[in-house]
Amino acid sequence: GDSVTQMEGPVTLSEEAFLTINCTYTATGYPSLFWYVQYPGEGLQLLLKATKADDKGSNKGFEATYRKETTSFHLEKGSVQVSDSAVYFCALSEVGNEKLTFGTGTRLTIIP
Amino acid sequence: ETGVTQSPTHLIKTRGQQVTLRCSSQSGHNTVSWYQQALGQGPQFIFQYYREEENGRGNFPPRFSGLQFPNYSSELNVNALELDDSALYLCASSLGQVNEAFFGQGTRLTVV
Repeated sequence: GDSVTQMEGPVTLSEEAFLTINCTYTATGYPSLFWYVQYPGEGLQLLLKATKADDKGSNKGFEATYRKETTSFHLEKGSVQVSDSAVYFCALSEVGNEKLTFGTGTRLTIIP
Repeated sequence: ETGVTQSPTHLIKTRGQQVTLRCSSQSGHNTVSWYQQALGQGPQFIFQYYREEENGRGNFPPRFSGLQFPNYSSELNVNALELDDSALYLCASSLGQVNEAFFGQGTRLTVV
């Protein structure tokens, strides 16, 4: 079945550092890929998505590229801020499949 | 435009009891999905409702059931509660496809 494997956390960085959170997936078809963010005490918010190979999703300075050859969708940001502290989830959904399959999440803490 | 709202935000139940969680979908959305997020884990798909019919189910026992109403709001019912049912329950609404799912803040259920 489908699965998503995320870089284990927690991850602690200093403000303005470069961020990478790794995500790889296993799917039988050609999934759409997502990054969701969960701030403390809140639900999930869609951060960015990509629907086909080589697509780049971007939002709020974050970006991720759909790499079919390596089945990866790594999240990157060039300069993180304290406000980026949250839990980040990588997820996929297959065409015609109604559910999102999530990774276990990566807790990110940014220190001033 | 109102977002996805869930009620209650927190509740505590005793093992063996029954619980009903509620979700109001975002205006214009006709599809509601429910997820269970155990502590430190990613959300797990429970089921989805589309136009008042169940439209897919994850690996959860029959004591997890649901309803969707004509206004597209939804309920999640859990019978015979077990300690392992303690989790954050997330509702997500979308217009048809899962690709544009918007999540509520969740209901934190504690079973004692």
